[in-house]
Amino acid sequence: RKEVEQDPGPFNVPEGATVAFNCTYSNSASQSFFWYRQDCRKEPKLLMSVYSSGNEDGRFTAQLNRASQYISLLIRDSKLSDSATYLCVVPFSSNTGKLIFGQGTTLQVKP
Amino acid sequence: NAGVTQTPKFRVLKTGQSMTLLCAQDMNHEYMYWYRQDPGMGLRLIHYSVGEGTTAKGEVPDGYNVSRLKKQNFLLGLESAAPSQTSVYFCASNKLTDLNQPQHFGDGTRLSIL
Repeated sequence: RKEVEQDPGPFNVPEGATVAFNCTYSNSASQSFFWYRQDCRKEPKLLMSVYSSGNEDGRFTAQLNRASQYISLLIRDSKLSDSATYLCVVPFSSNTGKLIFGQGTTLQVKP
Repeated sequence: NAGVTQTPKFRVLKTGQSMTLLCAQDMNHEYMYWYRQDPGMGLRLIHYSVGEGTTAKGEVPDGYNVSRLKKQNFLLGLESAAPSQTSVYFCASNKLTDLNQPQHFGDGTRLSIL
């Protein structure tokens, strides 16, 4: 099992659609998780942090299932501006702050 | 407050040339990281540093060297550039007490090796 695995997509959805991405991880000791957004290979930018069972921020909801070791990101009412690559990120080590990045899931929202 | 600054932003090298990428942060962070990102792949850790004067290997360290002589700077060196090192390089930093917090990223260096 890869340390962090995502469906690369691309996910092509119409404006207004609801879309969900899943991410599985192998390190059962991980305590915090992150979703980053990356546009056109610019620097990754933090979208959401997940420390407990989940987190919600407007149209975005992240959920964590520790038993099954997966994290999901739900985007409601998709906008054209949501088109990007979404990176699932899991800490590798609490001593060094090392992070393991998934390969990213690409979302394309179409008018 | 500039955050994390990478220089240069773009560079084209010939095979065998050497160069150094500079990462500077003004947030007094202890931890600094160098990543590379290739098409269809997530960021992969090259080297990292947990403090001034210390460095450690990441996932893909071969062909690279690093130095952390000052707390605010983390240098990534390519001694003899190879086409396989064509990539986008990102630097990131984090504070010792915030290791469960997300890292702060620079805006990347796009490097092409011909």
